[in-house]
Amino acid sequence: DAGVIQSPRHEVTEMGQEVTLRCKPISGHNSLFWYRQTMMRGLELLIYFNNNVPIDDSGMPEDRFSAKMPNASFSTLKIQPSEPRDSAVYFCASSPDRGLGEQYFGPGTRLTVT
Amino acid sequence: GQQLNQSPQSMFIQEGEDVSMNCTSSSIFNTWLWYKQDPGEGPVLLIALYKAGELTSNGRLTAQFGITRKDSFLNISASIPSDVGIYFCAGDKTHGSSNTGKLIFGQGTTLQVKP
Repeated sequence: DAGVIQSPRHEVTEMGQEVTLRCKPISGHNSLFWYRQTMMRGLELLIYFNNNVPIDDSGMPEDRFSAKMPNASFSTLKIQPSEPRDSAVYFCASSPDRGLGEQYFGPGTRLTVT
Repeated sequence: GQQLNQSPQSMFIQEGEDVSMNCTSSSIFNTWLWYKQDPGEGPVLLIALYKAGELTSNGRLTAQFGITRKDSFLNISASIPSDVGIYFCAGDKTHGSSNTGKLIFGQGTTLQVKP
């Protein structure tokens, strides 16, 4: 069975450029989560969706970050404009049932902003 | 805000030894989860716990949901080199009697195993 798929796996971009990260959750899962991981702050939840609807975006750092989930099999996280401090590994995770708490993570996208 | 305190921060052990790590919180959780993360990969779910006092095993791994619902531990028996990685605990924030689906993660325990 395919797990959570993320693309690209690595992204290097210059400050000021737009970055779009993509995620395909596990088929049949109805919740999707975006995380950011850094050495300093660990794993931070940015936003999560339930049945394609954003439920909690309180972790989104600022207006430069936006996320969409146009359908049950696709989500994007966009950063515009990007800044060096956005450099991190971004993970997408999906869950079959919000009530159970189990989340399954993708391989992550390593973003470097120069 | 809510925090999970995970300890120890790192461990360096000999192959074959048993390992124990734990997580504590000042708040109650409905669900405790344990993940392992290998370098360059995403966290992989190891064990999920749903009831206070629950003890669950997955091969050489054993985890328990504390009776107070504010702590959990993970034990690894007879460690092997492939156990190397970062282990995270995570708790599902309570909201009344229902889980919110929003996990809070511990800081991680880095495990190194010497062959």
